[in-house]
Amino acid sequence: QISLKESGPTMVKPTQTLTLTCTVSGFSLSTRGVSVGWFRQPPGKAPEWLALIYWDDDKRYSTSLKNRLSITKDTSKNTVVLTLINTDPVDTATYYCGHSAGVLVPFDPWGQGTLVSVSS
Amino acid sequence: DIHLTQSPSFLSASVGDRVTITCRASQGISTYLAWYQQKPGKAPNLLIFDASTLQSGVPSRFSGSGSGTDFTLTISSLQPEDFATFYCHQLNTYPWTFGQGTKVEIK
Repeated sequence: QISLKESGPTMVKPTQTLTLTCTVSGFSLSTRGVSVGWFRQPPGKAPEWLALIYWDDDKRYSTSLKNRLSITKDTSKNTVVLTLINTDPVDTATYYCGHSAGVLVPFDPWGQGTLVSVSS
Repeated sequence: DIHLTQSPSFLSASVGDRVTITCRASQGISTYLAWYQQKPGKAPNLLIFDASTLQSGVPSRFSGSGSGTDFTLTISSLQPEDFATFYCHQLNTYPWTFGQGTKVEIK
C-alpha cells in the first residue's frame, strides 16, 4: 500500500528557510516513471503545485517559485525533501506531497499534509 | 501558465440531484485533465484522470468528459458523502495548475 507522510516545522519566521521531508512507503523512488510532487494549499484556497522529482532525478518547478525552491530525493532513505528559501507570511499553507505512477499521471495518493505558518 | 476556470464556484444541491461542474482551460490541454474531491481537513482525492477515466475505487456516479479547453465533471445522483470541494487540475504543460474550486453544499 502506497503512503506518504510530510514532516517539518509547524512555524518558521519570515526570511528563514523552510525544509520539509516527505517519507514514502509502498513504492521505490527509483522505479521507472515514478515521481513525487509537492503542493501547498493556503487556508480556504485551491491547491498549488510547487515541484516534482522523477525517478531519474529530473526536476520541475513552479514558475513563480522556482528561484526559491529546491527538491531532492534520497532513494535509500525513501525521502523527498523540499526546501523553500526566504519565506514570507504568504507562504503559510498546508504542504502536501503526492505520488505519481508515471509521466503525466496525476498524483494519487497524497500525504495527510502538514500546516506551516510563517510568522514573526 | 495555463489558467483553469471552474464554474460555478459554489452550488447548493439536494441528495439525488444531477450535478455538473465545468472547467475551462486558457489554452488547449488535450485530455490531460484530472478531477479531485477534497473534504475539510483532508488531502485531495483523485476521482478522474485523462479527462474521463475513473480512478479505481471511485463510484460510477462520477464521470468526466471533454478535451481541448472545455471539460465537465458530472455526478449523476448526489449522495450525502459527495458534499465537498472539487478541483480540476491540468498536467499538459508545466507549471501544472488547478482550478479555483467548486464547493458543493447541501440545499
